Amino acid sequence: DGGITQSPKYLFRKEGQNVTLSCEQNLNHDAMYWYRQDPGQGLRLIYYSQIVNDFQKGDIAEGYSVSREKKESFPLTVTSAQKNPTAFYLCARSREGQGSVSYSNQPQHFGDGTRLSIL
Amino acid sequence: GQQLNQSPQSMFIQEGEDVSMNCTSSSIFNTWLWYKQDPGEGPVLLIALYKAGELTSNGRLTAQFGITRKDSFLNISASIPSDVGIYFCAGRTRSGGSNYKLTFGKGTLLTVNP
Repeated sequence: DGGITQSPKYLFRKEGQNVTLSCEQNLNHDAMYWYRQDPGQGLRLIYYSQIVNDFQKGDIAEGYSVSREKKESFPLTVTSAQKNPTAFYLCARSREGQGSVSYSNQPQHFGDGTRLSIL
Repeated sequence: GQQLNQSPQSMFIQEGEDVSMNCTSSSIFNTWLWYKQDPGEGPVLLIALYKAGELTSNGRLTAQFGITRKDSFLNISASIPSDVGIYFCAGRTRSGGSNYKLTFGKGTLLTVNP
């Protein structure tokens, strides 16, 4: 699994419902990311976190929320405010983090994704 | 925001042929990454490039970081059926609070006919 696990693989949401996607990493890496992928599109950044208890909005954060209470976990909640949630969601990790100068240019490695659909 | 133009959008080739794809941007990047994505899976890192002019190989794959830092290409030699998938380029800049963000191309869908 490349040290990062996403669950579930498939998820269905009813109208007006919030759903939470899980992302866990076991490599003690500082940085974690959430991306959204739509057919024929590149990956678009939703949120990212470089350190525990801190996270930043990406390019398409509206309708989503995250938390980073533990280093190994970065769950993403798709809220009812996200009007077009059907997509493939990808979580990534990288070794770098704030103050980690020697790791400042490490690539991101992805989980296997969660496909979210609307019922 | 920054944009990457990846081409071609799709390719249909015969097994054994060589393949070339590239990404260009109006922005300068200090890192270029190439990923491959199989259907229903997450992207897997193929090659990472860190210096302008750098040429790096990984088996039958070769990638280069353009001298201008605004482009990169990926070549696959002697293609085989398992090369099928979507190939993404990604570039990263280092600037303030967005140090660790990547910009992705839209991908090249590769089909290899046996």
